[in-house]
Amino acid sequence: EIVLTQSPGTLSLSPGERATLSCRASQSVSSSYLAWYQQKPGQAPRLLIYGASSRATGIPDRFSGSGSGTDFTLTINRLEPEDFAAYYCQQYGSSPYTFGQGTKLEIK
Amino acid sequence: QVHLVQSGAEVKKPGASVKVSCKASGYTFTSYGISWVRQAPGQGLEWMGWISVYNGNTNYAQKFQGRVTMTTDTSTSTAYMELTSLRSDDTAVYYCVRGNYFVYWGQGTLVTVSS
Repeated sequence: EIVLTQSPGTLSLSPGERATLSCRASQSVSSSYLAWYQQKPGQAPRLLIYGASSRATGIPDRFSGSGSGTDFTLTINRLEPEDFAAYYCQQYGSSPYTFGQGTKLEIK
Repeated sequence: QVHLVQSGAEVKKPGASVKVSCKASGYTFTSYGISWVRQAPGQGLEWMGWISVYNGNTNYAQKFQGRVTMTTDTSTSTAYMELTSLRSDDTAVYYCVRGNYFVYWGQGTLVTVSS
């Protein structure tokens, strides 16, 4: 089983700043099958990034994903108030399709 | 547009079983697999398993092997997830999701296990 470790656990930033979220895998993620999700309280998660770097439909270009192998990054430029939420990475290259434990992005 | 509509909240006693349904619309049901993901209160996301709607093949997370059964009914475009021998730590919101990376999510079904 691939274990995904996200860091930091909580990130405190102000609107307009840049957020950098990390997701490290215990072994290489096949074909960069790595996705990122945003989740707000009481809502289902929303897909942001798939294939490590492809933005899902309707996702603003201030969200970008990068990385390969075992190290992946989600970058959010120019934080907007609606970006403060929980973020999860997920690998879907090998079963079981594991999630990271999440990063909470909070307003400083 | 694609919709996944799940059955309503359930309250179960420890040791009981629960069966959650997920009705799909807006796409060809047999073209995509369905996964089930759960989220305990205040916790992260946990993938439970996947079913191929095309041929019924399943792939369950080892943690749930022997307790979970995923099925589909192609005549009604509905997927089902049954979890048996419920414990208090099975209390969670259960989501059905389409595909391998999850663009489309059901609205979630809260399953509460309490004596």
